[in-house]
Order: sequence, then C-alpha cells, then structure tokens
Amino acid sequence: QQKVQQSPESLSVPEGGMASLNCTSSDRNFQYFWWYRQHSGEGPKALMSIFSDGDKKEGRFTAHLNKASLHVSLHIRDSQPSDSALYFCAASGNTGYQNFYFGKGTTLTVIP
Amino acid sequence: NSKVIQTPRYLVKGQGQKAKMRCIPEKGHPVVFWYQQNKNNEFKFLINFQNQEVLQQIDMTEKRFSAECPSNSPCSLEIQSSEAGDSALYLCASSLGGSGNTLYFGEGSRLIVV
Repeated sequence: QQKVQQSPESLSVPEGGMASLNCTSSDRNFQYFWWYRQHSGEGPKALMSIFSDGDKKEGRFTAHLNKASLHVSLHIRDSQPSDSALYFCAASGNTGYQNFYFGKGTTLTVIP
Repeated sequence: NSKVIQTPRYLVKGQGQKAKMRCIPEKGHPVVFWYQQNKNNEFKFLINFQNQEVLQQIDMTEKRFSAECPSNSPCSLEIQSSEAGDSALYLCASSLGGSGNTLYFGEGSRLIVV
C-alpha cells in the first residue's frame, strides 16, 4: 500500500500561472513533510519542508499542511518554464530510525 | 550543485556482470540512504547506514545487492550479477539523521543492463 499519494499525475500550466500539487498520506505517524523537485537527468532537490499546520512560503512557492487530514499541498505562483519538472512529496515519522516515504510524483509542464 | 557526489553517472553492463556505484555523502552527514528509482519514477528504498552500520535494508533475498559505508571511504552499492530489471537510476542521499532532517540526494548513477 502506497503510504503517500500524489495528485494529479501530470499538470500543465501557462507561464505566469499558478500550479497546485497535492499530497495525502495514510500514516498518522507521519510528522514531517517535504517537497522535492527533479529535473530530467538530475537527482531530486529538496524544495521545502513543512512540519507545522498552516502555510509556509518561500519565494514563489507556498506549502500548506493540514495534519488532521494528512494533506500537504504545494502552490507555485508565477510559474516559469524552468519549473517544468517532476515534483515529489515525501514524508517521515517520529518512530525509530528515520525513513522517508515518497509519492509517485507529479509531472509539471509550464507552457511558454 | 549537489553536495552528495555519486559516481559514475552512467554505467552500462551486460546481463550477469557486476555493477558498482559509489557515493560520497555530504560532509558531516552520518546517515546515508540508497534508493532505486525505476522508469515510472517510483522510489524503492534499498538500504540505509548510520556511519558504517546498517540501519535498515530491504530483504535482499536475491543476494545480488550488497552495500557498505566504510570509514574514510566512499559508500558503495554493488550488484553482483546484473539483470535487465535492475536498469534504473540509483540514488544516494545523506542526512544529519534524526527526526525532521532533510534528505539530500546526489545526481544518481543510471544503470543500463543490456
């Protein structure tokens, strides 16, 4: 059973538009969430972490966490062609050794 | 630029050949993970270390996979006898360990088994 689910699988937005990505987990032990971005041919890069309920903003990127519903979202405003990439949600818990669970990713295409 | 260094970036092996990948974690990071990312971009956890000790690993029942993180040397992941299904991107990542610390990835080693 996939512990972290992402939607949509793929998303296209026009340049300058807003992209919204979603992530839901099924494990109430998860306390820590990250968004990663992976460009083609590269390794994943950590974009943002979010551990508390509410919004966290870093530049054009805003993450939102609702621990009660185990839902995390990522919103990218003023999307740029360079934002075109695969975005992963990752989660980890507070029990035992730290392990990370990744979703299957959302492919974002920003159309110039 | 990634601070986790993986080599080689690409390797092509025939079926049955050994494939070995290396990873230098970010300086000061005692925890190292290896993941396999398949063609569908899914992550499969393989093994992780804290310093030289294995923390967790999948059941490598096929015994074709081995990994180590020796002191003062790069970590490594080796496939003893490559199979077509092993073709994937192998990602090494490191972390300070403990709850809430970010995992930092290298650029990966792409294995193609022909």
